[in-house]
Amino acid sequence: QKEVEQNSGPLSVPEGAIASLNCTYSDRGSQSFFWYRQYSGKSPELIMFIYSNGDKEDGRFTAQLNKASQYVSLLIRDSQPSDSATYLCAVNNESNFGNEKLTFGTGTRLTIIP
Amino acid sequence: EPEVTQTPSHQVTQMGQEVILRCVPISNHLYFYWYRQILGQKVEFLVSFYNNEISEKSEIFDDQFSVERPDGSNFTLKIRSTKLEDSAMYFCASSWDRSTQYFGPGTRLTVL
Repeated sequence: QKEVEQNSGPLSVPEGAIASLNCTYSDRGSQSFFWYRQYSGKSPELIMFIYSNGDKEDGRFTAQLNKASQYVSLLIRDSQPSDSATYLCAVNNESNFGNEKLTFGTGTRLTIIP
Repeated sequence: EPEVTQTPSHQVTQMGQEVILRCVPISNHLYFYWYRQILGQKVEFLVSFYNNEISEKSEIFDDQFSVERPDGSNFTLKIRSTKLEDSAMYFCASSWDRSTQYFGPGTRLTVL
């Protein structure tokens, strides 16, 4: 059973601070890693994806991947109240043709405190 | 910016009835998916579809479920005989590279 684990939170961060969200995955064959943001009652919205070890930055967001530790994280700099949402980590194993589903974690609920 | 659309936004049905959920994927995407999310739970994969056939399906996607791409733009999920436990948000997603998936706004299915 391929698992994706996240701390469900809630994680409370003061406005302007850095929010750090973490995710671990069980399948060493996993190759693509995604962070989605989900507001209550809404659909997952893609924020970042990362395929290679190291850091990937996009605006205020940085995704970090460590395949040896099976760990992926998301940093949000200069946190804003509008960042308050549930952040979903998702993993896609493309090692077998057709095995292209995303496996999601339970999500971490993030609250930015003004 | 192109986006995935879904209709209806909310569907209420009686147990045992058939429902069809509709999706219009992003126009140049070739890979299509259905996921569901029961209230308070994880997003779960149901099925993926490429080149007019199912490429993978989960254990949830039993004989009561089917998918179809009836024309060049729509992608549908049919549930033949709904059960109470089918109540969930159903998300359609599409991808151009078999990896990066973009989700539609979802259809909330309520089975009474």
